[in-house]
Amino acid sequence: NAGVTQTPKFQVLKTGQSMTLQCAQDMNHEYMSWYRQDPGMGLRLIHYSVGAGITDQGEVPNGYNVSRSTTEDFPLRLLSAAPSQTSVYFCASRRQPSTNEKLFFGSGTQLSVL
Amino acid sequence: DQQVKQNSPSLSVQEGRISILNCDYTNSMFDYFLWYKKYPAEGPTFLISISSIKDKNEDGRFTVFLNKSAKHLSLHIVPSQPGDSAVYFCAASGVNRDDKIIFGKGTRLHILP
Repeated sequence: NAGVTQTPKFQVLKTGQSMTLQCAQDMNHEYMSWYRQDPGMGLRLIHYSVGAGITDQGEVPNGYNVSRSTTEDFPLRLLSAAPSQTSVYFCASRRQPSTNEKLFFGSGTQLSVL
Repeated sequence: DQQVKQNSPSLSVQEGRISILNCDYTNSMFDYFLWYKKYPAEGPTFLISISSIKDKNEDGRFTVFLNKSAKHLSLHIVPSQPGDSAVYFCAASGVNRDDKIIFGKGTRLHILP
């Protein structure tokens, strides 16, 4: 049972480059989300989705795009990377939105923007 | 504007003693609270949760206490073990069903031998 899978684990970008962080879950979870973790800032919500075709903004959405075309996948796109986006990114899912259930996290993607 | 606050960035506790991690929240609409544990280079993993209809939830060595009037919760670990050394995140979600789970900044717990 793979759970939540994130790729790549590490990435180095130059300012202005674009890339997509991949996230897939095999638990048939309706709810998926992206967080970033920065030193002294904890985990901050970027975007989330309550089901295929539905996405919404979190606390820090600027500079990121998401889409949810399938239940399994929730990619995070950086259109023009900036040094401020250097961070560790975590994808997380839970069975349903609007319920009190725990999140399952992936192992993270460490991104450096030079 | 931080809705979930963990005011202690780090905490050191002797092995075998009790570890107490604190968390405060400002949004009175939060009704479900969770604690996550994170080791370096890994994703956070769920530890324990509590609903606002309770004031205590226990799971083995871990107990979470909720004081709604003070908007405060705490995680007790008894007895503390070396494997408990990690970063602990407090998180909350609300009755508005806007589906967001908001995390605190985390507390790094060091268990001393």
